[in-house]
Amino acid sequence: AQSVTQLGSHVSVSEGALVLLRCNYSSSVPPYLFWYVQYPNQGLQLLLKYTTGATLVKGINGFEAEFKKSETSFHLTKPSAHMSDAAEYFCAVTRGGGYQKVTFGTGTKLQVIP
Amino acid sequence: KAGVTQTPRYLIKTRGQQVTLSCSPISGHRSVSWYQQTPGQGLQFLFEYFSETQRNKGNFPGRFSGRQFSNSRSEMNVSTLELGDSALYLCASSLGDRDQETQYFGPGTRLLVL
Repeated sequence: AQSVTQLGSHVSVSEGALVLLRCNYSSSVPPYLFWYVQYPNQGLQLLLKYTTGATLVKGINGFEAEFKKSETSFHLTKPSAHMSDAAEYFCAVTRGGGYQKVTFGTGTKLQVIP
Repeated sequence: KAGVTQTPRYLIKTRGQQVTLSCSPISGHRSVSWYQQTPGQGLQFLFEYFSETQRNKGNFPGRFSGRQFSNSRSEMNVSTLELGDSALYLCASSLGDRDQETQYFGPGTRLLVL
C-alpha cells in the first residue's frame, strides 16, 4: 500500500520568501514521487518527479524537491516566491499499486502575499 | 502535440440521471486514468484504461464505469447520480508502459448534481 501526507492545507508566504511545502510518503517498495500544481479551474501540471538516481530533482518554474529515504520525505522548495506561484500543490506517489495507479496527497494551497 | 481534452467542461444534472464524460488523450498515449476531485475527499483514483482494457480500479461503486476505444479515447459513465457525485472529474493520459511515467491532465469536467 502507498500513501502521501501533505502537512498544512494552507501555506502563506511573502513575495520573495522561501517556499517550503511538505510531503511525506509511505510505500512498501521504492517509490516514484511527483509534485503537481493546479491553478484555478485547470487540470494538474507536473512540476517535477523522482524515479531513481539523483535525489535532488529540479523542476519547472524554479521549484525543486529532495528525496530523503531516511525521512520518507519529498518536500518541495523554491528560493523566492512569486505572485504567480499562488496555486494548489499536490504530492503524489506510485509504485506497487499497479501501473499508473497514483495516490495523491490532499493538497496544499499556497498564498503569496505581496 | 495537442493536450488532453475533456468534454463537456461543465455539466448540470439532477439526482437519478446518468452522465457520460469524454476524454481524448494526447496522440500516442495508450493509458487514460480518471480521477474525482472534491473539496472534502481531494483527488481520488477512479480507474485506468490501457489498450481498451481496465487495468486498475479504485474504490468507487459500480455506478461509476468507463471504457476505452481503439483510438484511446475514453468515456466515463456515472449512473443514478447522487448529490455527492458533484465534483471535478479529471482525466490523465500517458504512454502507459511504465508506472513512473508522467501523466498529463486535462482541464476537467465540472459536474453539478442538483
